Amino acid sequence: SQQGEEDPQALSIQEGENATMNCSYKTSINNLQWYRQNSGRGLVHLILIRSNEREKHSGRLRVTLDTSKKSSSLLITASRAADTASYFCATDANDYKLSFGAGTTVTVRA
Amino acid sequence: GAVVSQHPSRVICKSGTSVKIECRSLDFQATTMFWYRQFPKKSLMLMATSNEGSKATYEQGVEKDKFLINHASLTLSTLTVTSAHPEDSSFYICSARDSRLAGSYEQYFGPGTRLTVT
Repeated sequence: SQQGEEDPQALSIQEGENATMNCSYKTSINNLQWYRQNSGRGLVHLILIRSNEREKHSGRLRVTLDTSKKSSSLLITASRAADTASYFCATDANDYKLSFGAGTTVTVRA
Repeated sequence: GAVVSQHPSRVICKSGTSVKIECRSLDFQATTMFWYRQFPKKSLMLMATSNEGSKATYEQGVEKDKFLINHASLTLSTLTVTSAHPEDSSFYICSARDSRLAGSYEQYFGPGTRLTVT
């Protein structure tokens, strides 16, 4: 079942700006993962943050995790047109099954 | 590395027929694969966990006789949608874990299969 809620549902920004999206979840987790999906395609794994971590970076991506608030955020800095995609958070309660959020559709305008 | 393929990428079938979708891990072994379903502009819903050499485990509400899963080898899982109906039309995506990486939670996703039942 889904447990992630993402906010906002859609985001439109200018190239070069930062994009921030949030994910909230309901139950305890082992880790939280962020994925990108281009229209009609499969998912690309972006970053995994474990429950005992608070922040993680990967290139232009920055992910935070607040387990007390059961929330996570994904920041994409200096966005590019190629970042246009849907972004999903997914939680893993330590059984390898992923429960996905509803996703945020990001449009980067040139 | 860590590539997962799906075949076919698109399939159109008539109501009442069965369709088989393959999911392959190309360069790693996967004792566990997962099948998801995605409706347009919606999130992914886990349907079942496919275990190599044993029966699949299905999520609540997923009919195991409707969605047959076979994981006959460490690199191949198949999903067969039996007696397909138009409401089965959807985007089906598989994912796989690399069995060699103990403690790794990362999953690798296939490109998806678009099923349209007419």
